[in-house]
Amino acid sequence: SQQGEEDPQALSIQEGENATMNCSYKTSINNLQWYRQNSGRGLVHLILIRSNEREKHSGRLRVTLDTSKKSSSLLITASRAADTASYFCATGRNTGKLIFGQGTTLQVKP
Amino acid sequence: DAGVIQSPRHEVTEMGQEVTLRCKPISGHDYLFWYRQTMMRGLELLIYFNNNVPIDDSGMPEDRFSAKMPNASFSTLKIQPSEPRDSAVYFCASTRELGEQYFGPGTRLTVT
Repeated sequence: SQQGEEDPQALSIQEGENATMNCSYKTSINNLQWYRQNSGRGLVHLILIRSNEREKHSGRLRVTLDTSKKSSSLLITASRAADTASYFCATGRNTGKLIFGQGTTLQVKP
Repeated sequence: DAGVIQSPRHEVTEMGQEVTLRCKPISGHDYLFWYRQTMMRGLELLIYFNNNVPIDDSGMPEDRFSAKMPNASFSTLKIQPSEPRDSAVYFCASTRELGEQYFGPGTRLTVT
């Protein structure tokens, strides 16, 4: 069964706007990761947040983690057309195994 | 570093044929993962190895699927016999310890 569930499934915004994607999960985790996938390509790691962290930044990306609610959010600020892709959250435990959600498809219109 | 290398990039085969997918992980990475991605089921973990040893193969669909990692720089995923429902994109990924995973470009498999 899927551990991470993203919301929304699809998001369409204008260039320059912010994009927020949410991820919920069911069991305890060691870390939560966000990946991007451009059409026809492999996944690319964006950011990792550990279970004892609440917020993390990387460039235009901001990730929050609320372990009490078992949820995370990914914020992309000042979006660009090149941000158009699918975004996946993945939850990890101490086994090294990651469980991926179904993803959010983001379209940024120029 | 060349990243994770997968071959072939595309494979078209007929039902009943054997298919072998190949992966070369990033040097120094001790974990290797095989995933399958379809529109219907999303990204599924099939099997993963740690230091060349299979750790969890619970995602392998059935006995037609097998995976090996004879050394730290090579792994194969074999499907025998292949069926149309095996059509998907198969990804290999590697990581060091329990960090971020690096994905290969994938193999797009079509079984007719």
